[in-house]
Amino acid sequence: NAGVTQTPKFRVLKTGQSMTLLCAQDMNHEYMYWYRQDPGMGLRLIHYSVGEGTTAKGEVPDGYNVSRLKKQNFLLGLESAAPSQTSVYFCASSYSVREGRQETQYFGPGTRLLVL
Amino acid sequence: AQTVTQSQPEMSVQEAETVTLSCTYDTSESDYYLFWYKQPPSRQMILVIRQEAYKQQNATENRFSVNFQKAAKSFSLKISDSQLGDAAMYFCAYRKTSYDKVIFGPGTSLSVIP
Repeated sequence: NAGVTQTPKFRVLKTGQSMTLLCAQDMNHEYMYWYRQDPGMGLRLIHYSVGEGTTAKGEVPDGYNVSRLKKQNFLLGLESAAPSQTSVYFCASSYSVREGRQETQYFGPGTRLLVL
Repeated sequence: AQTVTQSQPEMSVQEAETVTLSCTYDTSESDYYLFWYKQPPSRQMILVIRQEAYKQQNATENRFSVNFQKAAKSFSLKISDSQLGDAAMYFCAYRKTSYDKVIFGPGTSLSVIP
């Protein structure tokens, strides 16, 4: 049981390049989330998904896209990276309220992204 | 809109002593969840403790306990017998029951002095 894993751990991009961050969870969680963490601002929700095939915008969705083709995976894409997207990205997962358990979120180890 | 405030950007504590981290939040809901997360230098977010708003009893987890004051919308974390491994960033977080969006505070950086 690996919990929540993220790939890659660290990446450097040039402005304008694209990339995809992969999040995988093996706990059969319905909900998955992508956050970014910046100094002094805590964690901010980018996008989230309440089930396979569904996604929704969070607090700071601009410049990012996501996909949830499989229940266990949640992908975060940057189509044209900008220096403002330099951050640490966290993925998390949880059960849903509908399943009768208001579970807490389980976080991955984070991906550090530097955009030059 | 719900907000979470942590007024102490940095705190320090002597090893084996007790420290309290403050958190206040703003909500119009009567039922919700509150959390404290720890983020060590490894960066992974680790759940420390959770509190359901409908429970009057304060949650405890070993050396960690909370002081939940619902009327005052205050949720402080007390760490007893502080250890070097407790040094980390601590985030207070709020989650409305019927939604699953967690709102995080800005964090408090805790240093433990040997």
